[in-house]
Amino acid sequence: GAGVSQTPSNKVTEKGKYVELRCDPISGHTALYWYRQSLGQGPEFLIYFQGTGAADDSGLPNDRFFAVRPEGSVSTLKIQRTERGDSAVYLCASSLSGTSSYEQYFGPGTRLTVT
Amino acid sequence: QKEVEQNSGPLSVPEGAIASLNCTYSDRGSQSFFWYRQYSGKSPELIMSIYSNGDKEDGRFTAQLNKASQYVSLLIRDSQPSDSATYLCAVNTRNSGYSTLTFGKGTMLLVSP
Repeated sequence: GAGVSQTPSNKVTEKGKYVELRCDPISGHTALYWYRQSLGQGPEFLIYFQGTGAADDSGLPNDRFFAVRPEGSVSTLKIQRTERGDSAVYLCASSLSGTSSYEQYFGPGTRLTVT
Repeated sequence: QKEVEQNSGPLSVPEGAIASLNCTYSDRGSQSFFWYRQYSGKSPELIMSIYSNGDKEDGRFTAQLNKASQYVSLLIRDSQPSDSATYLCAVNTRNSGYSTLTFGKGTMLLVSP
């Protein structure tokens, strides 16, 4: 079946602009996660959705970052007033459920470059 | 701060050899452990999951878990050049009824022909 998809694959934006990154999880997966990966680092947790609600947003670095999942499927990560330090690969993952035994599958990522 | 530690490498092995990748974690309450493979410029791909002490084998891959020592490893038998990638260890971080993953920085594996 289809895996996790993310759009766009690449996004270049100017400092101070607003960006939206989209994630479409595997069909039937209720849990959705956003991670951010910088060069030479492992993915870092940003936010977790179970269904439509953000169950844990403790990884969001500041209030410029926000994410929604209005219908419990597609999610959008929104970044306001982008800064050069936001440049990274943004990864989305989904799993059948948010309990610990369920495996997370990653999408291809969106590479964000803030100039 | 819950941590997952891996040697950054690179770990260089000749084709056909066994590659051994190691990972330690700090959260004693962790219950689920995963190995992801990440090729350069690509996203992480799940290759193994392990939940109980001991060994779990899948083809050329064997994951080993020792919760008492807070240690998890991945063995790759008959290493191939196509195994050259960064291997990420991920450990579930328990919260209230759900979990997120904490990743190590990854170990780069280079398999030479």
